Amino acid sequence: QKEVEQDPGPLSVPEGAIVSLNCTYSNSAFQYFMWYRQYSRKGPELLMYTYSSGNKEDGRFTAQVDKSSKYISLFIRDSQPSDSATYLCAMNPTSGSRLTFGEGTQLTVNP
Amino acid sequence: IAGITQAPTSQILAAGRRMTLRCTQDMRHNAMYWYRQDLGLGLRLIHYSNTAGTTGKGEVPDGYSVSRANTDDFPLTLASAVPSQTSVYFCASSKGMGDTQYFGPGTRLTVL
Repeated sequence: QKEVEQDPGPLSVPEGAIVSLNCTYSNSAFQYFMWYRQYSRKGPELLMYTYSSGNKEDGRFTAQVDKSSKYISLFIRDSQPSDSATYLCAMNPTSGSRLTFGEGTQLTVNP
Repeated sequence: IAGITQAPTSQILAAGRRMTLRCTQDMRHNAMYWYRQDLGLGLRLIHYSNTAGTTGKGEVPDGYSVSRANTDDFPLTLASAVPSQTSVYFCASSKGMGDTQYFGPGTRLTVL
């Protein structure tokens, strides 16, 4: 079983929809959680970074961590065609350790 | 240059050939990483380096070697390429191990 599970999709939504992207994990030691966005034929880039449980908002993006359920989410409000990309979750147990990545979810936002 | 660069952008290689993928960063980051990305498997860590002069094995190190002679460069070598090494390879760097990683544009490698 993978340490981090992420539905690869593909996920297709109309412009303006609210998107929910999720990851589950098995290692209860994970404390630092990240979301990376990867456009086609490009390298991933950091989108959101959270520590422990709770919510973090940045513009149209909200990252949510539920450590009791070992479940993290990324919400995109008012989705735009420019949000079309693959979204990868990543996490590590301490700030000085290697990241474990999810497989990535491919999202398409249709105009 | 600004950020992290990789070369070549893409390469087709005959099985059994030796190949070195180049990675250079100009951010003075201590940590550097090599990943491969495959459909259905996501990003998998091949090798990493905490700082110049040190390297470590990741999740899938077999068939690959790295060196870290200085802060900026982190080449990945395939000593004798096999078709299963066909993949997209990403180099990344971070200020310290576990910090935000900055990725290069990737190298698409096909081994025939």
